[in-house]
Amino acid sequence: GAGVSQSPSNKVTEKGKDVELRCDPISGHTALYWYRQSLGQGLEFLIYFQGNSAPDKSGLPSDRFSAERTGGSVSTLTIQRTQQEDSAVYLCASSLGDSTEAFFGQGTRLTVV
Amino acid sequence: DQQVKQNSPSLSVQEGRISILNCDYTNSMFDYFLWYKKYPAEGPTFLISISSIKDKNEDGRFTVFLNKSAKHLSLHIVPSQPGDSAVYFCAATFSGTYKYIFGTGTRLKVLA
Repeated sequence: GAGVSQSPSNKVTEKGKDVELRCDPISGHTALYWYRQSLGQGLEFLIYFQGNSAPDKSGLPSDRFSAERTGGSVSTLTIQRTQQEDSAVYLCASSLGDSTEAFFGQGTRLTVV
Repeated sequence: DQQVKQNSPSLSVQEGRISILNCDYTNSMFDYFLWYKKYPAEGPTFLISISSIKDKNEDGRFTVFLNKSAKHLSLHIVPSQPGDSAVYFCAATFSGTYKYIFGTGTRLKVLA
């Protein structure tokens, strides 16, 4: 497809389990972002990838969160030992580069029970 | 520290009238601003942007105004349509960086 694709669209997991969220950015976009939106909150920056540069992980809330981007394209956000406060919509976005419009996927709604 | 603030969580407007959504920011280094629209169960979609070298940008029914001295921007939608009902986020960044800072959003409801 032409847009940013995220999978799964919904994920329900038990507290303590690990989850992986996938993002396929728009082809040719070098920048990839992960954000999350908790209930009633704005979009919280998590991590940014740009080309071959070291990612900016400054927004990751704890060491249970990690992300990688393979081959400069697909990205996976991993949350280990999930907690109920991790429940949120996780949004991936990509852009052509710095300071250009970012295009978002539809998000993955994560519910930790 | 909330660098980008949308102080109105919700707004209701009659169809055909003007909708004005406001956004304030605190970091004077921001020089590029964007508005996104989000429908339920969908990701945000880009709406309109403005660079700090301008004070107005217009695209059809949507106009964004930037007041740098007041660190304030606003999105005007005229005429408002029921399909405009969504949550609107403003975001800010500065040149040469990538980290978009988003506000908490304003839910717009356009009444038919």
